[in-house]
Amino acid sequence: DAGVIQSPRHEVTEMGQEVTLRCKPISGHDYLFWYRQTMMRGLELLIYFNNNVPIDDSGMPEDRFSAKMPNASFSTLKIQPSEPRDSAVYFCASSPRAGAYNEQFFGPGTRLTVL
Amino acid sequence: GQQVMQIPQYQHVQEGEDFTTYCNSSTTLSNIQWYKQRPGGHPVFLIQLVKSGEVKKQKRLTFQFGEAKKNSSLHITATQTTDVGTYFCAGPESGAGSYQLTFGKGTKLSVIP
Repeated sequence: DAGVIQSPRHEVTEMGQEVTLRCKPISGHDYLFWYRQTMMRGLELLIYFNNNVPIDDSGMPEDRFSAKMPNASFSTLKIQPSEPRDSAVYFCASSPRAGAYNEQFFGPGTRLTVL
Repeated sequence: GQQVMQIPQYQHVQEGEDFTTYCNSSTTLSNIQWYKQRPGGHPVFLIQLVKSGEVKKQKRLTFQFGEAKKNSSLHITATQTTDVGTYFCAGPESGAGSYQLTFGKGTKLSVIP
């Protein structure tokens, strides 16, 4: 299995531009999570999906952030317009279906720099 | 909301010394997970503890879950340079199912050869 795939791995953009981050979860995993990691705030959950349906988006910082999961093998996190304070590493993670064992598998992350 | 605290934030040890990181939750946890993130890498699952007082070992790593299921620890015996990284504990949000995890800020381990 290829694991969770994220693209791009690095993104540098200017303030005000739209940014789209992409994620392909592990095949057969029902849960998909988007996290943001910064030195100051650590690892924060932004939103998660179950069977392509958003379950909790309370971690999304503001309306500039949106996430979609049009099918079981693809999700996007969009920031429009981007701001310098959005600079962070964004991780996507997936997890198998319901059960006591809910290990999360993280992708390699996208390092976003907003100038 | 639930808070998961980890101490220390940083730890520098000489190779061969032992290392321990502690994790405390503001609420009782149904389970606790530990992850390791190498520098420049992504978090990788290490282990999950479910039972009160549970102790699990992985070679030189010993994981413990407190009796009250509100705290946990990770102990590494005789550290090696391959142990370098940040160790996170994570607990599920109480009352919200087990799929949304709250991560501690992590303990960053440096090993001096």
